[in-house]
Amino acid sequence: DAGITQSPRYKITETGRQVTLMCHQTWSHSYMFWYRQDLGHGLRLIYYSAAADITDKGEVPDGYVVSRSKTENFPLTLESATRSQTSVYFCATRRPDRGRGSYNSPLHFGNGTRLTVT
Amino acid sequence: KQEVTQIPAALSVPEGENLVLNCSFTDSAIYNLQWFRQDPGKGLTSLLLIQSSQREQTSGRLNASLDKSSGRSTLYIAASQPGDSATYLCAVRRRGGADGLTFGKGTHLIIQP
Repeated sequence: DAGITQSPRYKITETGRQVTLMCHQTWSHSYMFWYRQDLGHGLRLIYYSAAADITDKGEVPDGYVVSRSKTENFPLTLESATRSQTSVYFCATRRPDRGRGSYNSPLHFGNGTRLTVT
Repeated sequence: KQEVTQIPAALSVPEGENLVLNCSFTDSAIYNLQWFRQDPGKGLTSLLLIQSSQREQTSGRLNASLDKSSGRSTLYIAASQPGDSATYLCAVRRRGGADGLTFGKGTHLIIQP
């Protein structure tokens, strides 16, 4: 059961560089999410996707770009990395809601990517 | 804006004790509340999900309660073991607005052997 795979596990990049974090799932869950985790802030939602070609902003989307051409992949791109984007990034998935009153599928998380911007 | 607070931020207890972790949220318009466990360098593992219409959920030595009207949830861990040492996070799925969960900052739990 591979579940969710994030790559790379660790990444060091320089300010101004473009970097892409990968997320792949084997379950075909329709919903996928990107969170960042920082000391003092906890986990915050960056972007999410309800299905292929459907994406939406979360709480902290500035400086990030996402795409979802295939259900199983949800890459996160930092177009011009800044030091404030140093963080641990988590991808998560969720099965679709079953309908009215059934918004209760749990989230499943990957092991994260630790990104350092120098 | 939904805010989730967890108290205490850290807790250290001897093995075998029963303990309670607290979570509060400001907006009661939620679909559910989830408790997660996070081990160092790892992702989050879902422990329990309580639907807004439910009062509690149980899994093994874990019991989570939800009082939606007062904006509170507790995670009760019975007969704690050193393997329970981790950070415990609660999160709510709100109605309306962006999908996804709003997280608390977690309680860092250490069980002393």
